[in-house]
Amino acid sequence: AQKITQTQPGMFVQEKEAVTLDCTYDTSDPSYGLFWYKQPSSGEMIFLIYQGSYDQQNATEGRYSLNFQKARKSANLVISASQLGDSAMYFCAMRGRYGNNRLAFGKGNQVVVIP
Amino acid sequence: GAGVSQSPSNKVTEKGKDVELRCDPISGHTALYWYRQSLGQGLEFLIYFQGNSAPDKSGLPSDRFSAERTGGSVSTLTIQRTQQEDSAVYLCASSLYHSRTDTQYFGPGTRLTVL
Repeated sequence: AQKITQTQPGMFVQEKEAVTLDCTYDTSDPSYGLFWYKQPSSGEMIFLIYQGSYDQQNATEGRYSLNFQKARKSANLVISASQLGDSAMYFCAMRGRYGNNRLAFGKGNQVVVIP
Repeated sequence: GAGVSQSPSNKVTEKGKDVELRCDPISGHTALYWYRQSLGQGLEFLIYFQGNSAPDKSGLPSDRFSAERTGGSVSTLTIQRTQQEDSAVYLCASSLYHSRTDTQYFGPGTRLTVL
């Protein structure tokens, strides 16, 4: 079974500062993909960044980067230079063959950016 | 390019009525997914379609739920004899293929309220 854990309480972040959102996962699958999504109050799930389990380098996408530590089974999202529009729920998810390539989600982290 | 679209955006119904929710995936995407998100919760997988293969219905919570995908494109999720516990946001997603590396792109969701 695949399990994603996001346990941080709601976070307040000062505008222009960086924030790290924790995600740990549990799987015996040797090959999997890790995804982060943003869900603002409007409700839409917005894809942010992807990391493959065999990727040698941490993924980056604009202000988003992924701190991938495979041995520790963690895939933390780093948002640099926070903006007010970054206020949202952030979900970590993974998919892999052992989970029939279905996307398994964590419960999310709430981030509020304050000016 | 057009993203995933869903209709209606909001649906209010009375307990015991049937409802149909529609999803129009990104053109060319072979895989289509339905999820349910209850208030303040993560996403619960319901069903997915991949090309012409038989759908994976293992996430459907009861036999009151069914879905079909016509012509490999538009999908309809039907809930019969709705119950109050069916109230949630129903999200549809599509991806190019059903693999660990493919990103799922989500629609805006349908908010279902059962009175």
